[in-house]
Amino acid sequence: DAGVIQSPRHEVTEMGQEVTLRCKPISGHDYLFWYRQTMMRGLELLIYFNNNVPIDDSGMPEDRFSAKMPNASFSTLKIQPSEPRDSAVYFCASRQNTEAFFGQGTRLTVV
Amino acid sequence: GQQLNQSPQSMFIQEGEDVSMNCTSSSIFNTWLWYKQDPGEGPVLLIALYKAGELTSNGRLTAQFGITRKDSFLNISASIPSDVGIYFCAGPNTGNQFYFGTGTSLTVIP
Repeated sequence: DAGVIQSPRHEVTEMGQEVTLRCKPISGHDYLFWYRQTMMRGLELLIYFNNNVPIDDSGMPEDRFSAKMPNASFSTLKIQPSEPRDSAVYFCASRQNTEAFFGQGTRLTVV
Repeated sequence: GQQLNQSPQSMFIQEGEDVSMNCTSSSIFNTWLWYKQDPGEGPVLLIALYKAGELTSNGRLTAQFGITRKDSFLNISASIPSDVGIYFCAGPNTGNQFYFGTGTSLTVIP
């Protein structure tokens, strides 16, 4: 298995633009997590899904953030409109049982 | 929400020295996981612990699941420069929420 695959690896966008981050979890994993990492706040859980259903989105900072998981092999995290304070590394992770595996992350820069 | 507290927050050590770090929680965990994150990469799973009191090794790494199920420890013996990175503890608690620790940044001086 190729592991958790995220795209793009890097994204630079202008303030106000829509940004879509993508994630392909490991096949067979029934949990998918979106995290944001910054120097100030470390790793923050944004939202997680179980069997494609959002379970806890309390970490999503604002209505500008939305996440979907239309099927077991794909999830998106969308920011609309983006702001400079959204600049961070966004990680997707998937899990079966108790061990979670991470993608390489998307480094987002909003200018 | 739930917070896992790691200590120390950062460490600067000489190559060859041993390293110890720990993680504590206010609630019981069923599983403890230890991850390492290299710069520019995602966290990579190092060791998983499943039972209270369990002691597990992976090469120079040894981790223990605390008896109270509210803490865990990670030791690295004979550190080398490639051990540099941020180490995170993590795990699902009895409510199946999955949490990450605050991280311990390790710098190894050659």
